[in-house]
Amino acid sequence: DIVTTQSPDSLAASLGERATINCKTSQSVLYSSNNKNYLAWYQQKPGQPPKLLIYWASTRESGVPDRFSGSGSGTDFTLTISSLQAEDVAVYYCQQYYSTPITFGQGTRLEIK
Amino acid sequence: EVQLVQSGAEVKKPGESLEISCKCSEYSFTNYWIGWVRQMPGKGLEWMGLISLGDSNTRYSPSFQGQVTISADKSISTAYLQWSSLKASDTAMYYCTRPQVPASGDWYFDLWGRGTLVTV
Repeated sequence: DIVTTQSPDSLAASLGERATINCKTSQSVLYSSNNKNYLAWYQQKPGQPPKLLIYWASTRESGVPDRFSGSGSGTDFTLTISSLQAEDVAVYYCQQYYSTPITFGQGTRLEIK
Repeated sequence: EVQLVQSGAEVKKPGESLEISCKCSEYSFTNYWIGWVRQMPGKGLEWMGLISLGDSNTRYSPSFQGQVTISADKSISTAYLQWSSLKASDTAMYYCTRPQVPASGDWYFDLWGRGTLVTV
């Protein structure tokens, strides 16, 4: 199984600041035949289901604000929120879909400082 | 609007059986796989398994294999999650979810149900 680990577990940043969440997989999720990284990012607000933000490590889902961006390749990935807004308070999860069992990171709780 | 409509909250006793459902709002969903994800109180997301609505081909997480049964009724575009004997540790929110691209094997999920809370 691919172990997916996020850091930090929680993060507090000021409004307008940049926030960065890291995700590391225990083996590469880059598929060499199509050069795609099989990694997604989700946002979950209290009382709501998760919402897809990013897939293929860096492709933003339709309707997601462009302050959200994903980067990385192989085993190390980053979700960046360029200018934190109040509505970004949530728990963020990365997920690898390179192989089953699909695995999620443990989540990173993002708060406003 | 395309939706996954999940059945309502359940309160059960240990040892009881249970089936919860996830109905897809469009017939074209038969080309899709549907996944189930568990979220225990205050905890993270855990993938349980996937089922193809078209042919009921199923993949389970090893953590849930033998603990639950995932099934589907193609004729009504509905997926099910079943327990034969619930335990207190099954208390959780259960989400059904759909991969963005049908029948691709690219399992990132763009559509989610609102969840079914199971309390044992």
